[in-house]
Order: sequence, then structure tokens, then C-alpha cells
Amino acid sequence: EVQLVESGGDLVQPGRSLRLSCVGSGFTFDDHALHWVRQVPGKGLEWVSGISWDSSAIGYADSVKGRFIISRDNAKNSLYLEMKSLRNEDTALYFCARDRTATMISHYGMDVWGQGTTVTVSS
Amino acid sequence: QSVLTQPPSASGTPGRRITISCSGGRSNIGTNTVHWYQHLPGMAPKLLIYGNFQRPSGVPDRFSGSKSGTSGSLAISGLQSEDEADYYCAAWDDSLNGVVFGGGTKLTVL
Repeated sequence: EVQLVESGGDLVQPGRSLRLSCVGSGFTFDDHALHWVRQVPGKGLEWVSGISWDSSAIGYADSVKGRFIISRDNAKNSLYLEMKSLRNEDTALYFCARDRTATMISHYGMDVWGQGTTVTVSS
Repeated sequence: QSVLTQPPSASGTPGRRITISCSGGRSNIGTNTVHWYQHLPGMAPKLLIYGNFQRPSGVPDRFSGSKSGTSGSLAISGLQSEDEADYYCAAWDDSLNGVVFGGGTKLTVL
């Protein structure tokens, strides 16, 4: 079965750091670009970051640029999101999603999604 | 404020056809393809349409997509109660160097 499973969500204080992980299975991991997408409670989907199959292309939403770092380890079929200087507005359900293509810039839809991991930023 | 603009809500009766619009600009829909997602609360979003009009395997042909200029559109025919969900359009944005989503449209089947 093709799937993505996120982990690492937690309750953290503003200004602290957190690392999210996403493990893929059932498909050739390095055939695909990957993304992090979040949903703030009661709001819509927001793209956070994306990374190409070989990590040569990386992008971030302006709202997280300079604070979040995306990375992947194809040998471990894993995607990561290092989140620093967390803010209350980063509170959200974070989804890991697979791009239909290998290169982020030729984005052609996200066809596999995880169930999400919850990050709560609060003092 | 989302880069792509969708109506916040839509509704229809069972068996009818509805359309949801998605308005963007030259750097996103005007240059790149539009994709549509169905999202039920508590579930993972599901890709409904990619590349403006293509359906992944398993998506019923009641769902169809189109694009004209800087706007995309999702049509759902033969509405069913299980179609009640939030629908999002998305596209790559060359100026922002990232994916942009619409604000979402909540579909109610009356």
C-alpha cells in the first residue's frame, strides 16, 4: 500500500523548535518531489514547503522562510521539516504530500497524502 | 488572503450539477496547470483533478475540470450526499516559487 506517515507533532512554547518527520512506503521514494502542507484550525490548506527528488530544488512559503528547513533522506524514505522560532500562528495540522513529478517546479498535483501531525504552539 | 480566489460556499441538490470557480493570475494558473482537491474533515486531502482536467484512477467521471486563461473550474455532476466536503484549487506560482492554494469552497448537498 502506498502511504505517507507523519510524526513529531507536539505542544511547544513560542520561540522553541520542533522537527516533523514523514516516512513513505509502497512506492519508489526518490521518484517524487515532496511537500509539507498545513491547515490551521478552521482555515484552508496552506503550502509550507517543497523539495525535489534530489534536494536540488527547495521552496518555502513566505510565512515560514528563514525559520523552517525542509530536507529528505532517500535512503530512509524520509522527509523532514525542521521548524524553528515557532509562533502561535504556526499551530496547525501538518500534512506530508507526494508530488506526481520528481521536480518541484513541474508540480503536477499531490496524489498521496498522510493523515497529518498536529503542532500546537502555545505558552 | 489566498492567491487563488474561490467562492467560500456552494450548494446543490442531489442529482444536480454544480461548478466551483478558481481565479488566479498570470504567474500561476495563467502559466501552469490547475489541480483540485477534496477534503473531508479529519481526513487526508484527496487529489480529484490534476493538469487542469485529468482524473486520477478511481475518481468518478462525475468530477471534471477545465481551465481558461487565468481561471480554473471544477464541475460535479449527479451530486451525491457524499460529495459534501471542502474543495481546493491549487497551482504552481512562478513568481512565488511555490504552490498556491485557493481559500477553499465548502460544498453542501441540500
